[in-house]
Amino acid sequence: TQLLEQSPQFLSIQEGENLTVYCNSSSVFSSLQWYRQEPGEGPVLLVTVVTGGEVKKLKRLTFQFGDARKDSSLHITAAQPGDTGLYLCAGSHNNDMRFGAGTRLTVKP
Amino acid sequence: EAQVTQNPRYLITVTGKKLTVTCSQNMNHEYMSWYRQDPGLGLRQIYYSMNVEVTDKGDVPEGYKVSRKEKRNFPLILESPSPNQTSLYFCASSPGLAGTDTQYFGPGTRLTVL
Repeated sequence: TQLLEQSPQFLSIQEGENLTVYCNSSSVFSSLQWYRQEPGEGPVLLVTVVTGGEVKKLKRLTFQFGDARKDSSLHITAAQPGDTGLYLCAGSHNNDMRFGAGTRLTVKP
Repeated sequence: EAQVTQNPRYLITVTGKKLTVTCSQNMNHEYMSWYRQDPGLGLRQIYYSMNVEVTDKGDVPEGYKVSRKEKRNFPLILESPSPNQTSLYFCASSPGLAGTDTQYFGPGTRLTVL
């Protein structure tokens, strides 16, 4: 079973702070995705990483895939209230896709 | 507008009463799947389909059925719902395999089984 553990489970910060959330597994994935989900809606894809050590940037969000392709991190610089949401990581190998339980981020104005 | 639609959005039912949650996508995607989302457990895949008439079990298929008679539709069937199937359900579609292609999610169906 490929389990994905996300930490922290909850995070509440002030606007302007930086933060990092983590996604860890003992299994190797061929790709890893990060999604953001807002209340009452389905998850929306933010990024896909496929190469060990890969770093992708999306405005203030920086995503990194671990060298061994077992873990990933999401770093947000100067968080804004609009970043509030549930951040989910999902790892894929062959046709098998597994989601973590998510990190619920609240950014206070 | 490209989208995945699910109906109904909310449903309260009783144990044993058969129900169907519909899912439709207008993007001509090959791959569709169903997930359930429970607190602390994240999204767990119930079934997926890689094309018409091709369906496979995900992590938690017990108590569910699916069909893929047309490319655009992928209904989820609960023949005899039980309270442990109370959950938030999402349908998703993608052009190819979910892990590499963008997966588009529907708005969710909140099901309560009494």
